[in-house]
Amino acid sequence: NAGVMQNPRHLVRRRGQEARLRCSPMKGHSHVYWYRQLPEEGLKFMVYLQKENIIDESGMPKERFSAEFPKEGPSILRIQQVVRGDSAAYFCASSPPAVLAKNIQYFGAGTRLSVL
Amino acid sequence: DQQVKQNSPSLSVQEGRISILNCDYTNSMFDYFLWYKKYPAEGPTFLISISSIKDKNEDGRFTVFLNKSAKHLSLHIVPSQPGDSAVYFCAAGANAGGTSYGKLTFGQGTILTVHP
Repeated sequence: NAGVMQNPRHLVRRRGQEARLRCSPMKGHSHVYWYRQLPEEGLKFMVYLQKENIIDESGMPKERFSAEFPKEGPSILRIQQVVRGDSAAYFCASSPPAVLAKNIQYFGAGTRLSVL
Repeated sequence: DQQVKQNSPSLSVQEGRISILNCDYTNSMFDYFLWYKKYPAEGPTFLISISSIKDKNEDGRFTVFLNKSAKHLSLHIVPSQPGDSAVYFCAAGANAGGTSYGKLTFGQGTILTVHP
């Protein structure tokens, strides 16, 4: 059973470009979460999605950031017009409904975004 | 607003001895707590969790203790091994009527180094 798959592992963008980060949850998992980790800090929650629905986006910046989890295909975190402050590690996690009440989330290896 | 705090940025212990990692929280709504372990360039790996209705949970060499009145939890690793060297994050979540909010709030992490 493959784990949570994120790609790309490393992404370099110039200021003003768009960044698209992809996440395929573990098989059987229908809940996806995105977190961001800045250097020397812990992970900060961004958004929680189920198939075709955004459940909680309280951690998403108001502008330039969006997320989706379509019926088919991976979840996408999209950052438009990137700025240097967007440079961070972005982690995706997934969970199956059966353990949802226990809040156990399984993480991917992350995408490290560098904005030049 | 740092709702989950790990006040020790680093901890160094000798192989075979006990490692104790601490975590404090401020939000009374948290009712589920988890510890994750993270190696460089990898995603967090789930270690152990505890519900607020318990004060102790044990899994092999890992034991988590919860003191709700003090809003404090700790992870004990006995005996410590060099392979345990990693960053350890505590995280907290809140359930509402059995339906998870989904969001985990993480501490800043503690770097554990176990010397042979």
